[in-house]
Formats: sequence, structure tokens, C-alpha cells
Amino acid sequence: GNSVTQMEGPVTLSEEAFLTINCTYTATGYPSLFWYVQYPGEGLQLLLKATKADDKGSNKGFEATYRKETTSFHLEKGSVQVSDSAVYFCALSDRVYASKIIFGSGTRLSIRP
Amino acid sequence: GAGVSQSPSNKVTEKGKDVELRCDPISGHTALYWYRQSLGQGLEFLIYFQGNSAPDKSGLPSDRFSAERTGGSVSTLTIQRTQQEDSAVYLCASSPDRLAGGREQFFGPGTRLTVL
Repeated sequence: GNSVTQMEGPVTLSEEAFLTINCTYTATGYPSLFWYVQYPGEGLQLLLKATKADDKGSNKGFEATYRKETTSFHLEKGSVQVSDSAVYFCALSDRVYASKIIFGSGTRLSIRP
Repeated sequence: GAGVSQSPSNKVTEKGKDVELRCDPISGHTALYWYRQSLGQGLEFLIYFQGNSAPDKSGLPSDRFSAERTGGSVSTLTIQRTQQEDSAVYLCASSPDRLAGGREQFFGPGTRLTVL
């Protein structure tokens, strides 16, 4: 079945550091891929998405590229801010029969000033 | 408005009691999902409704859990004879339609359930 494996946290970085959170997936067919973010005390919200191979999703300085050959969707940001502290979830859904999204276990990111 | 709403925001109950959690999806969204997020864990899929189709109940952890969606809109998740391991945040999400699997799900703020 479909599954998502992401980097375990917590991850602690200094402000302006480069961020990578790894995510790999297992899926039949051609899933859509997502990164969701959950800021402290807030609900889950979509950060970015990519729906086909080689697509790059981007938002708020974050980027992730859909790599079919490596079944990966790593999240990157060139210079993190304290306000990026949150829990990040990698996820996938079947592109045609989207009965549910399969989420990774989440990675907690803390940014030091 | 606008987004997905859930009630109550917090629920404390005693072991063995029944609870009902409510979700109001975004107007016009045909798909509705329930997830559970336990402390320090990822999201666990519970159930999915799409229009008038039979729901996908494959994620429900036991027969104490049930859900219904009335009129294709509001949904209620019911947990009977609650146990302490049911303590979690229950999240509801909706999305515009089934065939557009690439579209996002919009999440509500969740209901934090504590079973004493």
C-alpha cells in the first residue's frame, strides 16, 4: 500500500540556516505529493504541493521537487526564520481516487534566534 | 465563512461515556474526512465521505467508532464507551471533489478529546 516516510525530528537550527527535511514515498501509480505545516496552537494547513514528476512546489520560501526516480519530495528552505518553527508533514494522495491522504509522522522544527 | 469548523474545541469525558464530535465542512465541498492525531504522532485516517457514495470506513479502529454525514454536509463522529486510548485530537477536513486528487484538503481546528 501507499506510505510516506519522513525524517524524524526534532530538528533544531539557528536562524538563517539552510533547511532540508527528507521525505520518501511508496505508491502505486502517480500520486500527488504535499507538505502540510502545523504551527503551534494552529490547525493543519497546506504549505505546498506537486502533482506530477519534476514539478516543483513552492511557498513562503520553501520548495520541494517531485522526484519520481528517487520517490522523494524533500522540503528545503535557504534561510529559515524563527517563525518557521512548526511541525511539518509530508503526505501523498492517489491522483485519481483521492479517498484519503497518507501522512508521514511529522517532523518538529525549532529555529533558534 | 469560510473554513472547516469543528465543535466542541475541547471535550473531557469519563471512561465508558459516549461522545459526539461535529464537523461543518466548507460549503460546496463534496468530500469530507476524519483523522485522529495522537500526542506526538502523525495523522491517522479514520473515515472518508464522498457525495452519496458509501463511506470508506477502513480507518476506523474499532466498532465503537462510527460516523455519519447528513445531507452531504455536516458530519458527526461518534465514539461509544470511550477508552483512555481514544484521547487525541480529532481533525476533520473537506475538499472540493474526488476526482481532483491533486487538490488540497482543508482542515478544521480539531477537537481535543481527553478521556479520564
